[in-house]
Amino acid sequence: NAGVMQNPRHLVRRRGQEARLRCSPMKGHSHVYWYRQLPEEGLKFMVYLQKENIIDESGMPKERFSAEFPKEGPSILRIQQVVRGDSAAYFCASSPPSRGSGNTIYFGEGSWLTVV
Amino acid sequence: LAKTTQPISMDSYEGQEVNITCSHNNIATNDYITWYQQFPSQGPRFIIQGYKTKVTNEVASLFIPADRKSSTLSLPRVSLSDTAVYYCLVGSYNNNDMRFGAGTRLTVKP
Repeated sequence: NAGVMQNPRHLVRRRGQEARLRCSPMKGHSHVYWYRQLPEEGLKFMVYLQKENIIDESGMPKERFSAEFPKEGPSILRIQQVVRGDSAAYFCASSPPSRGSGNTIYFGEGSWLTVV
Repeated sequence: LAKTTQPISMDSYEGQEVNITCSHNNIATNDYITWYQQFPSQGPRFIIQGYKTKVTNEVASLFIPADRKSSTLSLPRVSLSDTAVYYCLVGSYNNNDMRFGAGTRLTVKP
């Protein structure tokens, strides 16, 4: 059973370009979470999605950032017009829909965005 | 919303037992307590989860007192490879508030 898959692992973008980060949850998982981690800092919640629905996006910056989790295909975190401050590691996590599973979420290995 | 508080850092030596405590005074009835480990340049890895009393697996033990306002992750006989950041997370099924605290940076010395 494959884990949470993120790609690309590393992405370099020039200021003003767009970055797209993809996340395929574990098989059978229908909940996806995105987190951002700056160097030497903790994990910052960004957004929580279920299939075709954004449940909580209170951690997302108001501009340039968007996320989706379509019925088919991976979840995508999109950053438009990137700036140097967007350079960070972006982690995706997924969890199953079943009750009684506590709150165990499983993480991917992350996507490292560098804006030059 | 349950908020967690952990020590920022801890030092230990190889072979010692390490206990990391997390405070979560506002824990809700349906909330579970989960601990994750993160190495540099890697995603957080699930260690252990519990609801009350004591849980043990091949990696660690988790102690939760009756009031559930805190929990303690216990790592037996740590090695250098246990040097990592440890996060405590409190939440329940379908909980929107999957927010991590700052974590505890554990450094194991030879």
